[in-house]
Formats: sequence, structure tokens, C-alpha cells
Amino acid sequence: NAGVTQTPKFQVLKTGQSMTLQCAQDMNHNSMYWYRQDPGMGLRLIYYSASEGTTDKGEVPNGYNVSRLKKQNFLLGLESAAPSQTSVYFCASSINSNQPQHFGDGTRLSIL
Amino acid sequence: DQQVKQNSPSLSVQEGRISILNCDYTNSMFDYFLWYKKYPAEGPTFLISISSIKDKNEDGRFTVFLNKSAKHLSLHIVPSQPGDSAVYFCAARGRSNDYKLSFGAGTTVTVRA
Repeated sequence: NAGVTQTPKFQVLKTGQSMTLQCAQDMNHNSMYWYRQDPGMGLRLIYYSASEGTTDKGEVPNGYNVSRLKKQNFLLGLESAAPSQTSVYFCASSINSNQPQHFGDGTRLSIL
Repeated sequence: DQQVKQNSPSLSVQEGRISILNCDYTNSMFDYFLWYKKYPAEGPTFLISISSIKDKNEDGRFTVFLNKSAKHLSLHIVPSQPGDSAVYFCAARGRSNDYKLSFGAGTTVTVRA
């Protein structure tokens, strides 16, 4: 039972490079989320998607874009990576927005 | 400005004893609270939740207490087991934005044998 799968698990980028983080869920959940976790801080919401084709900005959306073309996939894009975007990124999904979220195992991203 | 605070970064407890994790919040519009548990190199896993209409919720060894007047909640783990060693995150959300969880910074629990 896969749940929420994130790829890649690790990535190193140079400043200015672009990248897409992939997230897939096999639970037929409607809602999907992207978070980042930084040392000494809780998870912060980057973007949220209530359903296929819809997205909303979270707490820290600047420098990111997202795509939800299929119900099971939620992609997070970095158009021009900056060292401040070095973080661990978590994708999550839930049946709907008021149900507990299920998380993937994270993508550790370093930007040099 | 962190709206959910876990002021103890770490907690060490002996196996079999009680672990008490604390969480404070500042937003009076929060009406639902959750605890997540996270092992290294894994994502957070939902543990237990409580609605603001209750002051206690119990699930096996885990009990969450909510004190709305003090804007404080706590998680009790009794008895603590080695497998409970993990990072615990407190999270909260409000009725108007139910998808927007505000997370605390986490408390690392170490259960000593």
C-alpha cells in the first residue's frame, strides 16, 4: 500500500536551476498539499489543492508554482532555485480538507 | 509569527513512565487540534486529534487534553515505549480555513530503556 509517494528523495541544485518535485497518491484523495520544513520551525504550507485543476496559495508560496492536472498527482516547481529554498519538502493528501493528512516521506533539497 | 508553539524542543523519559508534551497557541479562531508523530527519514503520521467542543480525547496509550481558556493542549503517552521515540508535532486549524494547518516546531521524545 504505497500511500503518498514523493520523488526524488534527495536532490542538489545550483542556484538558478529549475526543478519539479513529484507527488503521487493512490488513496483517491481529493485534497493535496505541499509543505516545507526548516530547522527549528514547523511545517509551513506552500500550496494547497482542493481538487483536480484547482490550487491555492499557502503561507510561503513565493518562488514556487504547482500543477494538479490529475487527481492523483500534485507537482511542485521551482523556476529559479535560490539557496533560501534549501529545505525538506513534504507532500500530503487527505480525503477532503477537514480530514487528517497523510504525508509522503519527503524530498531533501539542497541548493548551492 | 508562529501561532502554535512547542516550547520544549526535547523530552527524555524512562520506559514505562508517562510522557507529557505541551503545546500553546495564540489564535482564538483555532477550533481543531492534531498531533503528528515523525520518525527520521519518514513523513509525519497522524496520531490523535481533538475538537474545541471537547476537553479530552483518548486513544489507547495516547490522550490529548485541551484547555481553551489557557490556549493550551497537551499529549500524554502512558506508558511510554521505546517505539515512541520520535518527533511530535502539534498542529491547529480554524473553521474558516480548514485546510490551513499551523504546526509547532516539534518536540523530540527519547524513551530510555
